[in-house]
Amino acid sequence: SQQGEEDPQALSIQEGENATMNCSYKTSINNLQWYRQNSGRGLVHLILIRSNEREKHSGRLRVTLDTSKKSSSLLITASRAADTASYFCATDESQAGTALIFGKGTTLSVSS
Amino acid sequence: NAGVTQTPKFRVLKTGQSMTLLCAQDMNHEYMYWYRQDPGMGLRLIHYSVGEGTTAKGEVPDGYNVSRLKKQNFLLGLESAAPSQTSVYFCASSYVAGGETQYFGPGTRLLVL
Repeated sequence: SQQGEEDPQALSIQEGENATMNCSYKTSINNLQWYRQNSGRGLVHLILIRSNEREKHSGRLRVTLDTSKKSSSLLITASRAADTASYFCATDESQAGTALIFGKGTTLSVSS
Repeated sequence: NAGVTQTPKFRVLKTGQSMTLLCAQDMNHEYMYWYRQDPGMGLRLIHYSVGEGTTAKGEVPDGYNVSRLKKQNFLLGLESAAPSQTSVYFCASSYVAGGETQYFGPGTRLLVL
């Protein structure tokens, strides 16, 4: 089945730096989402970008989508220690549309 | 609003035992999902439901059964637990079809010995 693949698998940065994570997927989509998972917790929705959108902002988050390259990126600006978490991209299958397909995630560690 | 809740939070089973995981949501969502999360594997869909009384198979349905007798509840059953079912199980719900925002529960950690 289609699956988003995040890159890198792990990322370590200092507080105040920007963090960029990438996601690639295989087939056409209706939308792409990013979720955050703190250790031992459930996933929390961050942002959804539709296939006809190229860029979306939410606070310190910036998501881009390039459907020609089947890729997306999540930028977290001015990172904080509280941003330490795993980040997952999730895509739907445009024909089925019944469920999300999650990638394996990027683990972000922000040190103070 | 409690959102999505899961019961229990943690459980240890012996091989061959059975159990039911309960998911409840108070957001009046039509769609509900069960995922499992294993190290290095991301989340994989087990079963899902598009409304009360309906269920459908996801990517990894073998060894599990589900029921959606009430709109707010989605039950995941393991009839005969196996060590390969050791995992963290997440329930999620959404207002519209699966490609839209999903709301997740806190998870159930299951260890099968």
